[in-house]
Amino acid sequence: GNSVTQMEGPVTLSEEAFLTINCTYTATGYPSLFWYVQYPGEGLQLLLKATKADDKGSNKGFEATYRKETTSFHLEKGSVQVSDSAVYFCALSPPTRANNDMRFGAGTRLTVKP
Amino acid sequence: DVKVTQSSRYLVKRTGEKVFLECVQDMDHENMFWYRQDPGLGLRLIYFSYDVKMKEKGDIPEGYSVSREKKERFSLILESASTNQTSMYLCASVGPGSYEQYFGPGTRLTVT
Repeated sequence: GNSVTQMEGPVTLSEEAFLTINCTYTATGYPSLFWYVQYPGEGLQLLLKATKADDKGSNKGFEATYRKETTSFHLEKGSVQVSDSAVYFCALSPPTRANNDMRFGAGTRLTVKP
Repeated sequence: DVKVTQSSRYLVKRTGEKVFLECVQDMDHENMFWYRQDPGLGLRLIYFSYDVKMKEKGDIPEGYSVSREKKERFSLILESASTNQTSMYLCASVGPGSYEQYFGPGTRLTVT
């Protein structure tokens, strides 16, 4: 079946450090890939997405590239801020776009210290 | 902006109690979902609904039921709460032809 594996946290960085959170997936065909972010006390919100191979999703300084050859969708940011402290979830939606089959990773907690 | 609201942020119930978690969305979305979020497990789908009075089981429906009498409201019911249902419960909705799920803030349920 479809699944997502992301690096375990927690991740602690200093402000302005470079961030990478690894995500790999298993799926049949070409799923759509997402990163969601959950700030403290809130629900998840979509951070960025990519719907086909080699697409790059970007938002708020975060980027992720859909790599079919390595089945990966790693999240990166060049310079993190304290306000980026949150839990990040990698997710996939199958090629059928069946919303009921969205698969989420376990989540990676990021803490950014001033 | 889409808004998804959940009736309670924190809830404490006793074992055996019947528990109702309410979710309301204001964007006329057909599809609504209930997930539970547990550390190290991510989000797991309990039930989803693609229309009024329509529902389908997700990955972990045991011990739960749902109700969707109106399009904007999707309720999760724990018929007899147990301690292993202590968790964060998230509701989400999505519009037709869209990928993006809009989430409520979550209800942290503790069953003692």
